[in-house]
Amino acid sequence: AQSVTQLGSHVSVSEGALVLLRCNYSSSVPPYLFWYVQYPNQGLQLLLKYTTGATLVKGINGFEAEFKKSETSFHLTKPSAHMSDAAEYFCAVSESNFGNEKLTFGTGTRLTIIP
Amino acid sequence: EAQVTQNPRYLITVTGKKLTVTCSQNMNHEYMSWYRQDPGLGLRQIYYSMNVEVTDKGDVPEGYKVSRKEKRNFPLILESPSPNQTSLYFCASSLSRFSYEQYFGPGTRLTVT
Repeated sequence: AQSVTQLGSHVSVSEGALVLLRCNYSSSVPPYLFWYVQYPNQGLQLLLKYTTGATLVKGINGFEAEFKKSETSFHLTKPSAHMSDAAEYFCAVSESNFGNEKLTFGTGTRLTIIP
Repeated sequence: EAQVTQNPRYLITVTGKKLTVTCSQNMNHEYMSWYRQDPGLGLRQIYYSMNVEVTDKGDVPEGYKVSRKEKRNFPLILESPSPNQTSLYFCASSLSRFSYEQYFGPGTRLTVT
């Protein structure tokens, strides 16, 4: 069975500082990996995804993530935090021979930006 | 505008009183699903539907029912709500089960007393 672990339920960074949100997964087959963002009082929105090909994937709003098979990780980064990045971020994994019905979400990381 | 809508957005009810949360999408998506979000637990899938008249259980289906009679609608039914179903509920849709970008509705906050 697949699973996702997000280290740190709350992360605070100063405006302009590096954002690093950690995600580790377990999967018995090659995984598909995703980051979703949830702004206050809204539904989730896809930030970026990795399925196959280039292991460094770029998403919206300047975020990127790197799939590292040897570390079973898919950490989310942004070089310079902006106040508008304050939100909750969810990492998710699906096994490559399944579709959305097998998508497993992590417990989320709430990102706070300090002015 | 392409969107997923849910109604109601907020609902307070009492134990045992049947309720339905509606979900509708205007993107002609085949795949739809329901999730509940609880603090510290993330999102957990309740039910999903790969197409009209095709539904299946997710990870936490107990106490819920769904139907998919039309492509655009996927209502969530709680026949006899209990306090442990107090949660934030999200409906989502995608073009197909292999289209991994899901579009989420705004959420329904349900309180069962």
